[in-house]
Amino acid sequence: KNQVEQSPQSLIILEGKNCTLQCNYTVSPFSNLRWYKQDTGRGPVSLTIMTFSENTKSNGRYTATLDADTKQSSLHITASQLSDSASYICVVSHYGNNRLAFGKGNQVVVIP
Amino acid sequence: DTGVSQNPRHKITKRGQNVTFRCDPISEHNRLYWYRQTLGQGPEFLTYFQNEAQLEKSRLLSDRFSAERPKGSFSTLEIQRTEQGDSAMYLCASSRGQGKHEQYFGPGTRLTVT
Repeated sequence: KNQVEQSPQSLIILEGKNCTLQCNYTVSPFSNLRWYKQDTGRGPVSLTIMTFSENTKSNGRYTATLDADTKQSSLHITASQLSDSASYICVVSHYGNNRLAFGKGNQVVVIP
Repeated sequence: DTGVSQNPRHKITKRGQNVTFRCDPISEHNRLYWYRQTLGQGPEFLTYFQNEAQLEKSRLLSDRFSAERPKGSFSTLEIQRTEQGDSAMYLCASSRGQGKHEQYFGPGTRLTVT
């Protein structure tokens, strides 16, 4: 079983609308959690990184939250733009060996 | 552009042939990572280097795969006797160190084995 589960697998949203992506993880002990954006055919680009003591982090229209007790994170996209169409990958770092566990990604398609 | 670069961006090869990919990390980064990503999946860890030392290899890295970082700068990933199952995006990332240090990814090399 994957240590990082993301939902929904994919979603389509209208330009200008908001959406929220979910990430549940079982990695323990946990060091930090990252959200990456990956455009089709490109490498992932970091959006946010949070340690267990941080429960929210913003990067422009992207806001990530973290609940280390329930092992859940979310990424909220505000006022979506066509350029937000991408895969959003949740990545959890294992404390100690620093190995990264990747989710499969949330595929977001923004339509005009 | 001082980001991570990878070459080639695309490679089409026939089954059984050998291929080699190159990754140039961000210059001051001492850690370099290789990942494999198939369609609809997140990246899977293959191996990583601290300077020129290869510190860890995933069980995904069969004996047909070999990676080097001879001078602690660029790295190469070679796949011998390619199989159709090797078709994937091969991603390279680099970081200053471990822990919270962010991994910066390259654009990837898309391998298609026919």
